[in-house]
Amino acid sequence: EAQVTQNPRYLITVTGKKLTVTCSQNMNHEYMSWYRQDPGLGLRQIYYSMNVEVTDKGDVPEGYKVSRKEKRNFPLILESPSPNQTSLYFCASGNYEQYFGPGTRLTVT
Amino acid sequence: RKEVEQDPGPFNVPEGATVAFNCTYSNSASQSFFWYRQDCRKEPKLLMSVYSSGNEDGRFTAQLNRASQYISLLIRDSKLSDSATYLCPGNTPLVFGKGTRLSVIA
Repeated sequence: EAQVTQNPRYLITVTGKKLTVTCSQNMNHEYMSWYRQDPGLGLRQIYYSMNVEVTDKGDVPEGYKVSRKEKRNFPLILESPSPNQTSLYFCASGNYEQYFGPGTRLTVT
Repeated sequence: RKEVEQDPGPFNVPEGATVAFNCTYSNSASQSFFWYRQDCRKEPKLLMSVYSSGNEDGRFTAQLNRASQYISLLIRDSKLSDSATYLCPGNTPLVFGKGTRLSVIA
């Protein structure tokens, strides 16, 4: 089954404790991206990747890192999370239409 | 960067009504167009692709107007289950607008 998976689905953490949200796709897509969604602000792109070892900043990259060492995985790294990164995060992949993961609800206290 | 503009709504319509949304895009080089549907707190899902010749899928019709740089989505005979936010992304790198919120009321 073609899918995008994200883990964890829910995470509550404290300020400053490094965390990684994993994203994996099994459709051999070159393009992958991360979004955050906050009430009233819609989907905002954090980072995207056009292919392995190629990543670029989206609209709101501050406080985030990504890596693309292999085609299927595109982890999102928060080196020192802060409360303003509390949000709903979506990973997506697709060369044309996008397939989204189920989302990760992150709370930073 | 505002690649796409959508009326955020909400559009509150009675069951059975016909409703239409537009999405204007700024990148004239855009080649691929899509409509997505997002239910509350869920991931966006592809609703339909938008072809130059238009695209119809049951009660849903999507059209592209390249001259005026907008795409449209028409929903006929609205159902309660159509209540959702409808999104149209700009071209790669993909930028989504805030979407248009539709509430179908019994």
